[in-house]
Amino acid sequence: GENVEQHPSTLSVQEGDSAVIKCTYSDSASNYFPWYKQELGKGPQLIIDIRSNVGEKKDQRIAVTLNKTAKHFSLHITETQPEDSAVYFCAATRYSSASKIIFGSGTRLSIRP
Amino acid sequence: DAMVIQNPRYQVTQFGKPVTLSCSQTLNHNVMYWYQQKSSQAPKLLFHYYDKDFNNEADTPDNFQSRRPNTSFCFLDIRSPGLGDAAMYLCATSRDAGSEQFFGPGTRLTVL
Repeated sequence: GENVEQHPSTLSVQEGDSAVIKCTYSDSASNYFPWYKQELGKGPQLIIDIRSNVGEKKDQRIAVTLNKTAKHFSLHITETQPEDSAVYFCAATRYSSASKIIFGSGTRLSIRP
Repeated sequence: DAMVIQNPRYQVTQFGKPVTLSCSQTLNHNVMYWYQQKSSQAPKLLFHYYDKDFNNEADTPDNFQSRRPNTSFCFLDIRSPGLGDAAMYLCATSRDAGSEQFFGPGTRLTVL
């Protein structure tokens, strides 16, 4: 079955710097890759997603890249702010199928003032 | 605003005392999911409903049951909670199987 590995497990960056979180997946049939942000005591919130027909997607300070050949995808946050501090989960699945979402193990991002 | 609502946000129960957690949605989505999330871990899918069709994960204990009386509501029943069942329980919905999932705020369950 699908397996998603996520690194690093913790990440601390200076406010204003960039943060990068990387994931790899095992199922070459996966074609949908959402990223979730989970703040303390709250449910995960979808922040950006990418489908396998594109290599990069950007939304303001957040971008995601996908390398289908290598089965890698990454989240990039630029100009980090204190409110970016949270746990981030990558995930993979086959869009529009009955396949369940497979989550990575999470990255705890801390922004140092 | 369309959303996923979970009640209560915090639930305390005693070892072995049945408990029910509830989820409602105003998104009119076909699929509703229940996840268990323990500290510092990813959410773990327990089961999901596609409309009235119930789908149980193979490793979900029999102690966990679910009901979906209508499109808007879904319940998680824990028949005999053990200490190991203390966790955050997350409800999520999606328009169709495999499409974007929207999570509720979760219910934190404490078992004494």
